[in-house]
Amino acid sequence: RKEVEQDPGPFNVPEGATVAFNCTYSNSASQSFFWYRQDCRKEPKLLMSVYSSGNEDGRFTAQLNRASQYISLLIRDSKLSDSATYLCVVRSGGYQKVTFGTGTKLQVIP
Amino acid sequence: GAGVSQSPRYKVAKRGQDVALRCDPISGHVSLFWYQQALGQGPEFLTYFQNEAQLDKSGLPSDRFFAERPEGSVSTLKIQRTQQEDSAVYLCASSSSRTGCNSPLHFGNGTRLTVT
Repeated sequence: RKEVEQDPGPFNVPEGATVAFNCTYSNSASQSFFWYRQDCRKEPKLLMSVYSSGNEDGRFTAQLNRASQYISLLIRDSKLSDSATYLCVVRSGGYQKVTFGTGTKLQVIP
Repeated sequence: GAGVSQSPRYKVAKRGQDVALRCDPISGHVSLFWYQQALGQGPEFLTYFQNEAQLDKSGLPSDRFFAERPEGSVSTLKIQRTQQEDSAVYLCASSSSRTGCNSPLHFGNGTRLTVT
């Protein structure tokens, strides 16, 4: 079983839709969590950190469920510019080893 | 700019050649990671440095891969006798955190290696 798992998609959604991605992790000792966005042929860029209490940044909401070992990303009012791959990232271990999911591809359609 | 810088941006190597990929992390960042990203996949961990110490090299796929960070800043990933399966984007990332939480990685643009 991979340490971090995501549904690769693609998720094809119309503009204005709400879409949610989940990501599960296997290491219960994982300590910090992030969502990264990666555009085609570009490096991953930090979208947002994920806090235990859940956090929101504009149209984006991230949540952490430690009991079930998953994190989620909700995007409201999808824009064409949201089309990208969203990577779930988990840090764990003494030196905070970083592990990526394979990414979930989102395509927002006009 | 104060971001992570990688060079070269693109590298084409003939099978069997040696290559060296360079990463300049953000100044003062303690942690440095190398990742290999194949097309359509998430980045796969290769190795990790804390300052000049290579604390984890468990992700290096073979003994043809070697990484160093001798002065705790610039890092070089070397691939000897390149093979076609080495073709990928090699991403370098740095982080200010040593053991603290909630410290994201800052990525370079990556080096796209194509082995022909």
